[in-house]
Amino acid sequence: KQEVTQIPAALSVPEGENLVLNCSFTDSAIYNLQWFRQDPGKGLTSLLLIQSSQREQTSGRLNASLDKSSGRSTLYIAASQPGDSATYLCAVPQGAQKLVFGQGTRLTINP
Amino acid sequence: GAVVSQHPSWVICKSGTSVKIECRSLDFQATTMFWYRQFPKQSLMLMATSNEGSKATYEQGVEKDKFLINHASLTLSTLTVTSAHPEDSSFYICSARDLTGTLNYGYTFGSGTRLTVV
Repeated sequence: KQEVTQIPAALSVPEGENLVLNCSFTDSAIYNLQWFRQDPGKGLTSLLLIQSSQREQTSGRLNASLDKSSGRSTLYIAASQPGDSATYLCAVPQGAQKLVFGQGTRLTINP
Repeated sequence: GAVVSQHPSWVICKSGTSVKIECRSLDFQATTMFWYRQFPKQSLMLMATSNEGSKATYEQGVEKDKFLINHASLTLSTLTVTSAHPEDSSFYICSARDLTGTLNYGYTFGSGTRLTVV
């Protein structure tokens, strides 16, 4: 059974800092890994999707890496802004369909 | 990109009544949609997998008679919370994946429905 863990559970940093969020998974036989953002009371917004054959994906100030062999992924946020404050979730498919989520990292960027 | 529309965004209902939540894929077809429940400050919990034209697959511990799922077309799945009680109050989110995609395509989520049972 796939299990996904995210650390830290919460993170508070001043504006402008670069930061790293961590995600680990127990079963390395994954097809892909997806990072999402969730604002309070809202649905999930997909940030980055990394295929199993890829080592990283970039979108603007976001960079996600994937190391299947070690069961880890990181989300790097450069030059953080107050608007980046949200909960960040990573998820991997289990079997053919079901997504397994981590518990999320609640990020606060202080002006 | 793929868009999933979920309605209503919030609903308040009286205890004992039923509430229907709709999930639509706007620009793609989805043979499978997923329904999640989220409690405050917790991650998403998969409730059931909705299959077009067949019965939904429920996760262990989810009451299929309380949470009725219908997936009558390739673009619409509905979740009906029957005889709602205050403990059913929660945030419900649906998701879908593009029919033409393989497992290498990501999932798109709706904006969620906040259900409050009074």
